[in-house]
Amino acid sequence: DGGITQSPKYLFRKEGQNVTLSCEQNLNHDAMYWYRQDPGQGLRLIYYSQIVNDFQKGDIAEGYSVSREKKESFPLTVTSAQKNPTAFYLCASSPSGGVGGYTFGSGTRLTVV
Amino acid sequence: QKEVEQDPGPLSVPEGAIVSLNCTYSNSAFQYFMWYRQYSRKGPELLMYTYSSGNKEDGRFTAQVDKSSKYISLFIRDSQPSDSATYLCAMSDFGGYQKVTFGTGTKLQVIP
Repeated sequence: DGGITQSPKYLFRKEGQNVTLSCEQNLNHDAMYWYRQDPGQGLRLIYYSQIVNDFQKGDIAEGYSVSREKKESFPLTVTSAQKNPTAFYLCASSPSGGVGGYTFGSGTRLTVV
Repeated sequence: QKEVEQDPGPLSVPEGAIVSLNCTYSNSAFQYFMWYRQYSRKGPELLMYTYSSGNKEDGRFTAQVDKSSKYISLFIRDSQPSDSATYLCAMSDFGGYQKVTFGTGTKLQVIP
């Protein structure tokens, strides 16, 4: 079955540590996205990529970095510069331009310890 | 003021009831409207995708868009306990990558 796989499901980060969240899709979608979900704030866009080797900042990119070396993969690194990283992180993909809506992964819950 | 407003609920209804979920928005450029369902600790799944004004029906679900009022609705007929979830509205204009703006979600509980 086609879909998006996010791993790990739960992740714990110590202060000052960088962590990387994995996102893989086998839907042959061109575009991929990272969102952060906090209670009462809805989904906020962190980064998006329309094609391989190209990506753009979203609304809350500070403290995050991404890469898009393969069409299927769009990992997100939460750096130590992100001061409030505890959140639910969602990866999504769509055909080029986003027409037809997004397919989301099952999410990664990141907690700072 | 947020671009998209959605009542967070929670909304509790008895099984079999008709549920009405709503969002208002301020950006008149929005043309594409979506509803997602999100179960606890899961990713959202697309329920309905509509373009411009009008109605769209899919099984027990009906999406309505009134662009003149900047108001969209999702109706669920014969609601089931399995419909208990958070419902997110989402919308976008025709941007280069079609940036999507999400509502904060309405939590629905269907009581058996």
